[in-house]
Amino acid sequence: QLQLQESGPGLVEPSETLSLTCTVSGGSLSSDSYYWGWVRQPPGKGLEWIGTIYYTGTTYYSPSLKSRVTMSIDTSKNQFSLNLKSVTAADTAVFYCARSPVSLSAFDSWGQGALVTVSS
Amino acid sequence: DIQMTQSPSSVSASVGDRVIITCRASQGLPNWLAWYQQKLGRAPRLLIYGTSGLQSGVPSRFSGSRSGTEYTLTISSLQPEDFATYYCLQAGTSPLFTFGPGTRVDIK
Repeated sequence: QLQLQESGPGLVEPSETLSLTCTVSGGSLSSDSYYWGWVRQPPGKGLEWIGTIYYTGTTYYSPSLKSRVTMSIDTSKNQFSLNLKSVTAADTAVFYCARSPVSLSAFDSWGQGALVTVSS
Repeated sequence: DIQMTQSPSSVSASVGDRVIITCRASQGLPNWLAWYQQKLGRAPRLLIYGTSGLQSGVPSRFSGSRSGTEYTLTISSLQPEDFATYYCLQAGTSPLFTFGPGTRVDIK
């Protein structure tokens, strides 16, 4: 059974870089059938797509976050990662990693989410 | 950027009611429109993909459709476990995505 698990610091200082890793078990990041993505949700607010990465390393980013986001993938470790630079309090959110089958164009499996707070 | 609107933003309903939530794109007619259910403190759950495809394990009281520029999620007979927030997700140029702002369904 596929499982995704987010990990990383729960507290980041303003202007610093937020870094999260998603570890996938029960499935391979090397498959050409899936994209892998990040979605965030500020407390009490809606969902926001951040970006998506393919096993080849090709990335797709939200236009509103593109200037601050970098995603990478390590198929040997079955992990993919998110870096969001120059964070502010507005970036405080629960961050989810998720899988998107190429055939579905939707996210069908999700991690449990990781709360990251931006504060000094 | 494609923007998604959802209506209503919230709805109060009773068990057994038929609930209809709509989603509209600011431009174009996305071929790939999905619906999610999210309960407090939980990750979203995929209900509908490709406008009308029912995700495995999702009860048949959930259905999706499109009429013109409006995409609709219908819950035919609301159950106690259906009280949650619902989001649409468009993938107009997959894998670029946009979520709708959400519709909260609560108990009347």
